[in-house]
Amino acid sequence: DGGITQSPKYLFRKEGQNVTLSCEQNLNHDAMYWYRQDPGQGLRLIYYSQIVNDFQKGDIAEGYSVSREKKESFPLTVTSAQKNPTAFYLCASSTRARSGANVLTFGAGSRLTVL
Amino acid sequence: SQQGEEDPQALSIQEGENATMNCSYKTSINNLQWYRQNSGRGLVHLILIRSNEREKHSGRLRVTLDTSKKSSSLLITASRAADTASYFCATDDPSTGANSKLTFGKGITLSVRP
Repeated sequence: DGGITQSPKYLFRKEGQNVTLSCEQNLNHDAMYWYRQDPGQGLRLIYYSQIVNDFQKGDIAEGYSVSREKKESFPLTVTSAQKNPTAFYLCASSTRARSGANVLTFGAGSRLTVL
Repeated sequence: SQQGEEDPQALSIQEGENATMNCSYKTSINNLQWYRQNSGRGLVHLILIRSNEREKHSGRLRVTLDTSKKSSSLLITASRAADTASYFCATDDPSTGANSKLTFGKGITLSVRP
């Protein structure tokens, strides 16, 4: 089945530790995205990548880092510099639809809790 | 920057009733999309409407777009308990080119009572 796999689903971290969230897609999509979701809030864009070996900061990139060495993979590292990392993290991918629109396919999410 | 703003924030209806959700946005768009999120899960794309379209249907979903008012509405007819979820509108940013990034609103929590 084609889709996006995020792991781990739940992650606990002590303050001061870096953690890496995995995102893998087998949809052959060019673009990948990381969003953060807080309770009662919408999705805020952290980083996005439109092509391998290239990525851009989103609206809340501070304290996060990414890499895009392979088309299928777009891992997100939450560094100790991120002051409030407890959140639900969503990875998505897309390829330009025939209509020209950018429709996203999402993973199931990773919930990070800082203890 | 939050582009789309949905209202109401929460909506509770009886099964069988229609649910109407609204979204307003601020800048020009190429298209507007609606997504659904079940609790604790990822988002699922529901429907897309382009800026040159006024209305679109997909099953029990009807979406309208008024570019002069910069607003959209999503209507779910004959609601079911399984429609209980959060609904988000998303707008694209034409300035970011191909695979342009989407900006999501805060979402509407819909509860459908059996």
